[in-house]
Amino acid sequence: GIQVEQSPPDLILQEGANSTLRCNFSDSVNNLQWFHQNPWGQLINLFYIPSGTKQNGRLSATTVATERYSLLYISSSQTTDSGVYFCAFGSSNTGKLIFGQGTTLQVKP
Amino acid sequence: NAGVTQTPKFQVLKTGQSMTLQCAQDMNHEYMSWYRQDPGMGLRLIHYSVGAGITDQGEVPNGYNVSRSTTEDFPLRLLSAAPSQTSVYFCASKPTPSLEQYFGPGTRLTVT
Repeated sequence: GIQVEQSPPDLILQEGANSTLRCNFSDSVNNLQWFHQNPWGQLINLFYIPSGTKQNGRLSATTVATERYSLLYISSSQTTDSGVYFCAFGSSNTGKLIFGQGTTLQVKP
Repeated sequence: NAGVTQTPKFQVLKTGQSMTLQCAQDMNHEYMSWYRQDPGMGLRLIHYSVGAGITDQGEVPNGYNVSRSTTEDFPLRLLSAAPSQTSVYFCASKPTPSLEQYFGPGTRLTVT
């Protein structure tokens, strides 16, 4: 079946540092999203990015569909960036999303 | 718009009890789905619906029933709760299968 792998599984940063999270998937992309799950469990949409590059403030994402990976960049990290970051890959026919295991980020003051 | 809403926020059940988790959206989205999240894991798809009257199974459907009588509502029924169903349940919706998906706040269920 379709596989989604995220790396690294855990990441500890000092406030102000930059980081790159990676998502590899085993099939052709036609639907890819990045989510942030905050410490209260809420799932927040970051990017819908089946291909190309998008930026939103300190966050940006790039998906290279032909090479089956996506990257999430966090610049000048803040303590509020802490939580779990998920990528999810899906089919545009059925709409089903398959989630990776997540990257747990801790930003220390 | 309220977005995707879920009730209750928390629930404790005894083994063998039944209950319904409610999910509603006010965005006129055709596609709705239910996921469960177990500790330290990503979300896994339980059931989904591509429109009123149409439902299908996801990755982990056993022990759960769904129906979709209206565009707005997509309830998830546990017929006979088991401790293995202790989890956080998320409902989600999107306008069409190919677009961005939005999640509700979740229901934390404990089965003793």
